[in-house]
Amino acid sequence: EAVMTQSPAILSVSPGERATLSCRASQSVSSNLAWYQQKPGQAPRLLIYAASTRAAGIPARFSASGSGTEFTLTVSSLQSEDFAVYYCHQYNSWPRTFGQGTKVEIK
Amino acid sequence: QVQLVESGGGVVQPGRSLRLSCVGSGFSFSNYGMHWVRQAPGKGLEWVAMIWSDGSNKYYADSVRGRFTISRDNSKNTLYLQMNSLRDEDTAIYYCAKGTYFFDYCGQGTLVTVSS
Repeated sequence: EAVMTQSPAILSVSPGERATLSCRASQSVSSNLAWYQQKPGQAPRLLIYAASTRAAGIPARFSASGSGTEFTLTVSSLQSEDFAVYYCHQYNSWPRTFGQGTKVEIK
Repeated sequence: QVQLVESGGGVVQPGRSLRLSCVGSGFSFSNYGMHWVRQAPGKGLEWVAMIWSDGSNKYYADSVRGRFTISRDNSKNTLYLQMNSLRDEDTAIYYCAKGTYFFDYCGQGTLVTVSS
């Protein structure tokens, strides 16, 4: 099983600042990596797939990179609506797995 | 627009069974793989199961294999999750999700509470 480890667990950022989130896989997942955003009481929303491709309707301030075992999600200038929990998710192998999440909170 | 509507959640005693349903609309249901993903209260996301578009292949998390069964009826645009031998740790919001590889849309979920 590919264990996904996200860091940090909590990221405190001021509005307008950049946020950088990390995700590490215990084995290579190639580029089969997605990022999801979840706000309280809501379902997860797809942000990124194939490690770096923005999903439809996702603002350009969200970008992502990586392959193999190391991945990064960057939010270039945090808006109020971006404070949420972010999960990475590998779909390279079975069982599918998620990271434990990074909570981005207002500093 | 894509809609996924889950139902069937509720309170159930440990060891009992429950069947969840998810009706899809706004897309060609029979062309997509479908997943169940769950989230225990205050916890992260956990992938549960996946079924191919034609139902020919199914995959499960170790935590549910042998107890849960995913199925679908493409004539009714409906995905199912039969949950048997329920345990306290199965308490969660269960989301159905559309996608053959990653999932690109989730429903709003249905809450399953396993408690005596």
